Amino acid sequence: AVMTQSPLSLPVTLGQPASISCRSSQSLVHSDGNTYLTWFQQRPGQSPRRLVYKVSNRDSGVPDRFSGSGSGTDFTLKVSRVEAEDVGVYYCMQGTHWPHTFGQGTKLEIK
Amino acid sequence: EVQLVESGGGLVQPGGSLRLSCAASGFTFSRYWMSWVRQASGKGLEWVANINLDGSEKNYVDSVKGRFTISRDNARNSLYLQMNSPRAEDTAVYYCAKDNGPTGWIVWGQGTLVTVSS
Repeated sequence: AVMTQSPLSLPVTLGQPASISCRSSQSLVHSDGNTYLTWFQQRPGQSPRRLVYKVSNRDSGVPDRFSGSGSGTDFTLKVSRVEAEDVGVYYCMQGTHWPHTFGQGTKLEIK
Repeated sequence: EVQLVESGGGLVQPGGSLRLSCAASGFTFSRYWMSWVRQASGKGLEWVANINLDGSEKNYVDSVKGRFTISRDNARNSLYLQMNSPRAEDTAVYYCAKDNGPTGWIVWGQGTLVTVSS
């Protein structure tokens, strides 16, 4: 499955919301009924960190300003109020089809 | 503390060989699938290979099949990636990661840089 993110660059003012879109070339609904769409954050100079799994489940320690939504082939990661520590590249990843594949990444920066 | 530490990266000539290692600690290594994920400089992420609990099942991205071999030593809490006949396009930071199946990877190492160049 090919994962396409938009935008690829996202300048945001501190305290303002941000939204990243991720589209899959195939439905991500697995035969087990789950939708395996995951979001990762990669801060500058760091390893990736999982933020959200199965579309909308936040990992432990992830601020509640991050939220995931979507279904089928269209998914969104939203940040309700961007903070300085949110700067980095965000990747969506599908785990429904083999091999697991990532989007190109969206670079979030402070305007 | 759960930790993964990669080593073994460096400069390798096209057609040469290199072995990456990953030392795991802070969790029961033998109970988890493990993966290698790579990232070319300034580029996105690409899953490379994974291995099941006892090493009897291995999966690879098409671009490395027949050239790379993933393996593990549960007694040593270690994961390996044998890179044979590397190509310039294999140049990347290679991350070792604790595999959570279809939901991705929660624990990542710091990465080790592999540069394929003559």
